[in-house]
Amino acid sequence: DTGVSQNPRHKITKRGQNVTFRCDPISEHNRLYWYRQTLGQGPEFLTYFQNEAQLEKSRLLSDRFSAERPKGSFSTLEIQRTEQGDSAMYLCASSQYGTSNYGYTFGSGTRLTVV
Amino acid sequence: AQTVTQSQPEMSVQEAETVTLSCTYDTSESDYYLFWYKQPPSRQMILVIRQEAYKQQNATENRFSVNFQKAAKSFSLKISDSQLGDAAMYFCAYMGGSARQLTFGSGTQLTVLP
Repeated sequence: DTGVSQNPRHKITKRGQNVTFRCDPISEHNRLYWYRQTLGQGPEFLTYFQNEAQLEKSRLLSDRFSAERPKGSFSTLEIQRTEQGDSAMYLCASSQYGTSNYGYTFGSGTRLTVV
Repeated sequence: AQTVTQSQPEMSVQEAETVTLSCTYDTSESDYYLFWYKQPPSRQMILVIRQEAYKQQNATENRFSVNFQKAAKSFSLKISDSQLGDAAMYFCAYMGGSARQLTFGSGTQLTVLP
């Protein structure tokens, strides 16, 4: 198991373009989380899935953001009509239901720069 | 809503010395979990240590230990015998009893001086 994998590692896009990130969790983990981390700050919760169901969404997840986990395995996070304020590191994490209180396993993140 | 506060944006320590990073939190829950995560530059976040609120005994993991003061809502991390590889951003995090999400503090950048 290679841990939580995120692609791409870096993405530079022009304002107004759409971008999509992918997260592959640890295979036996049925919970998957997305966080956003701006420079010099701690990660902020965006959303989480248990299997394919999206169970919670933060108010930070505006209508330009959409996340999916269609088969309960990998997940995608799409940002439509990107804005400069979307520039951040987007972190994915996974855990197994029942052991989530032991902490998550994080990926290395996708750094988005909107120019 | 739960909040986590790290009042030390930056700390430094001499190699082989001991350093303590501070964290306070606010919650109305009685059942929760607290964590310290380490984030090296351009690398993924790694769990350092975990504390269950209902346990009075402070958690320890090798050179890392915590001072958990539940009444004061304080959760500090002590790093003993600091090593160059300990240099990183350290985040304190809170998880409620439902274990649905982590709430992070703003982090403390630790520099280890040779």
